[in-house]
Amino acid sequence: DAKTTQPTSMDCAEGRAANLPCNHSTISGNEYVYWYRQIHSQGPQYIIHGLKNNETNEMASLIITEDRKSSTLILPHATLRDTAVYYCIVSYNKLIFGAGTRLAVHP
Amino acid sequence: DTGVSQDPRHKITKRGQNVTFRCDPISEHNRLYWYRQTLGQGPEFLTYFQNEAQLEKSRLLSDRFSAERPKGSFSTLEIQRTEQGDSAMYLCASSREEGNYEQYFGPGTRLTVT
Repeated sequence: DAKTTQPTSMDCAEGRAANLPCNHSTISGNEYVYWYRQIHSQGPQYIIHGLKNNETNEMASLIITEDRKSSTLILPHATLRDTAVYYCIVSYNKLIFGAGTRLAVHP
Repeated sequence: DTGVSQDPRHKITKRGQNVTFRCDPISEHNRLYWYRQTLGQGPEFLTYFQNEAQLEKSRLLSDRFSAERPKGSFSTLEIQRTEQGDSAMYLCASSREEGNYEQYFGPGTRLTVT
């Protein structure tokens, strides 16, 4: 079973920041927090991952709480192409996907 | 394009037939993973390889399923005596060594069993 809890769906206006929360209260010390997204009929796309510290790359930022029990993925300026299912996964090796959050970006 | 390729992209087969899928990972990646995804669900882990060694198999991988990675490069996933319940998207991913390395997914092979 997935070790994360995410909202089923979220909406975001184009150009605004999308903040996607994730709870992972049973995360182990060596497990990383990964975020992937999947656009309809495509393979999952890696977005970002982190262990303890906040991370930022060209796609997104990842904020992990100090106790590591939750995290937030931030898409700073959402576009229509960011409409997808976003998966938060805690893992050291194989990925265990949950149901994810269906993000809809609207004009 | 992530650099992971899968062939074929689509396969339609009749129940009871055998099918084989191929995955070519990113060349410098020594870990290769197989996942299965049914409609409306997240991908489910099936098995993974470290070079040519198959290190873990999910209980989802019944005796009709077999995966190989003979030379530590490409991998094949074979399903024998297909059933309608095998209809799904079969995804392959690759990564560097274990630990904190991200997995890159291929486009998947969509299997339809009629």
